Amino acid sequence: KNEVEQSPQNLTAQEGEFITINCSYSVGISALHWLQQHPGGGIVSLFMLSSGKKKHGRLIATINIQEKHSSLHITASHPRDSAVYICAVSANNDMRFGAGTRLTVKP
Amino acid sequence: KAGVTQTPRYLIKTRGQQVTLSCSPISGHRSVSWYQQTPGQGLQFLFEYFSETQRNKGNFPGRFSGRQFSNSRSEMNVSTLELGDSALYLCASYRDSDYGYTFGSGTRLTVV
Repeated sequence: KNEVEQSPQNLTAQEGEFITINCSYSVGISALHWLQQHPGGGIVSLFMLSSGKKKHGRLIATINIQEKHSSLHITASHPRDSAVYICAVSANNDMRFGAGTRLTVKP
Repeated sequence: KAGVTQTPRYLIKTRGQQVTLSCSPISGHRSVSWYQQTPGQGLQFLFEYFSETQRNKGNFPGRFSGRQFSNSRSEMNVSTLELGDSALYLCASYRDSDYGYTFGSGTRLTVV
């Protein structure tokens, strides 16, 4: 079993929908990261969390340390949000990654 | 501000050769980390350097090595290349938790 599990693996939404991507982890962490990767490979770091909730524009990330769970929410989704979203955790002096969630937002 | 610069963008090497990849972090960022991304294994952490010292290392064989210079630029080296080393190699620089990580565009290495 992977130490970082994401769900769903694939997600298709209509423009304007509210989207949630989930991440569960099984190790002790110092921080959790949400990354966005567009076709072509470029990765953007969206959030770095150690507790609570962060918001940036239409994106919201939450983390529950006790339950070892984090969620990434996208409000009013747009086709430009189509990308792979990757959850990663900083643990034991390295970083472990989830397999990613491929999001497609249709106009 | 300038982002994280990785060179070269693309590289084709033959099995058994060695390769050196370069990463220039954002000015003022002293931490540089390296990652390998393959379709089969996804993203994996290689190592992290801070102030010219390797601070953390992932689970990769000794053929993978790196270093960091006094100007924070970093290089990673892979010796005796294998077909399975074909991957996208990404580096990221880090300042603090408020700014998080900034990734470069990556070097796509193909071993033939």
